[in-house]
Amino acid sequence: AQSVTQLGSHVSVSEGALVLLRCNYSSSVPPYLFWYVQYPNQGLQLLLKYTTGATLVKGINGFEAEFKKSETSFHLTKPSAHMSDAAEYFCAVSDNSAGNQFYFGTGTSLTVIP
Amino acid sequence: EPEVTQTPSHQVTQMGQEVILRCVPISNHLYFYWYRQILGQKVEFLVSFYNNEISEKSEIFDDQFSVERPDGSNFTLKIRSTKLEDSAMYFCASSGGRGSTDTQYFGPGTRLTVL
Repeated sequence: AQSVTQLGSHVSVSEGALVLLRCNYSSSVPPYLFWYVQYPNQGLQLLLKYTTGATLVKGINGFEAEFKKSETSFHLTKPSAHMSDAAEYFCAVSDNSAGNQFYFGTGTSLTVIP
Repeated sequence: EPEVTQTPSHQVTQMGQEVILRCVPISNHLYFYWYRQILGQKVEFLVSFYNNEISEKSEIFDDQFSVERPDGSNFTLKIRSTKLEDSAMYFCASSGGRGSTDTQYFGPGTRLTVL
């Protein structure tokens, strides 16, 4: 079975500082991993995904994530936080069933301090 | 850019009433999904739908729930007799092709409040 753990339900960073949002997964099959962002009153927007190939994945808005199989992690980073990055971030893993179910973490709320 | 839309954005209902949540997936997508998020909890899978039938459903998706694609554009989730614990944000999603690598595109959600 698949599951995702996001450490830290709330993360605060100063504008310009490094953003690090943690995600660890459990999967009985090679995982496909996703990060979504949710701005207030909006839906989930894909930031980036890992399927196969290069383990460092770049996404939109300057975010990137690295798949580390040995650590079962897929942490999300951004070198320099911007005020507009304040949002809820969700890590998800996809199973390989025909139903293509996604398993989400509990989310991390990012606050950017000016 | 194409997007998934959902209506209404907020629905308030009395316990025991039926509700229908509506979604318009991205037009050329073939796979459709419903998820829910109870306040403060994780986003949970409810059901996936392909070729006019359910592909997979979770334990949450019991006999009180049903899904339908009544026409070429809408995808609906019906809850026959709502319970207090059905209060949650419900997200619709769609994806283009088959396989677990396909990205699911999510709508903005419908907040359901059961009184």
